[in-house]
Amino acid sequence: AQKITQTQPGMFVQEKEAVTLDCTYDTSDPSYGLFWYKQPSSGEMIFLIYQGSYDQQNATEGRYSLNFQKARKSANLVISASQLGDSAMYFCAMRDDKIIFGKGTRLHILP
Amino acid sequence: EAEVAQSPRYKITEKSQAVAFWCDPISGHATLYWYRQILGQGPELLVQFQDESVVDDSQLPKDRFSAERLKGVDSTLKIQPAELGDSAMYLCASSSWTATNEKLFFGSGTQLSVL
Repeated sequence: AQKITQTQPGMFVQEKEAVTLDCTYDTSDPSYGLFWYKQPSSGEMIFLIYQGSYDQQNATEGRYSLNFQKARKSANLVISASQLGDSAMYFCAMRDDKIIFGKGTRLHILP
Repeated sequence: EAEVAQSPRYKITEKSQAVAFWCDPISGHATLYWYRQILGQGPELLVQFQDESVVDDSQLPKDRFSAERLKGVDSTLKIQPAELGDSAMYLCASSSWTATNEKLFFGSGTQLSVL
């Protein structure tokens, strides 16, 4: 069965440090996609990054990179040089025949 | 950039009343999703459409919830009768694919409060 797990309910990180948000998944479908979304307190869902299951290289988008370890079924989000504006909820999601989301990690960036 | 449109933005209703939410996806997006999000939790998939057909509604409480996408464009989600536990944000999303990328676009959501 399709499943996605985020084990960190909350994290506190000092500004300018790098952050890694954990995500593991499970699916029997060989073709799938992995996403990360940011949800600030205003509520909108902001797309950050996408990784396809057949992609050989880790996806990167500016300060965001996805550490894709297929054998371990993990898709961790790495944010380099964190900023105060990065404080938000972060959701990992997976698509095989439908798109489901994890429970999220609340990230707090400290000045 | 094109957006997913949702209305209303807020809805307050009393329990046992009927409510309806509307969504217009980005033009050309065949796949449309309705999610329910309780504060502090991840979005929970209620129903997925491919064009006008329901692909997945396994998590939709069918005794009170219904969803339709009659012409394969805009969609309506209805709750009748509403219960206190239905208070949540209802998010609509549509998706696009390319050979190397995929993205789910969300609307601003409808915040439902059931009194």
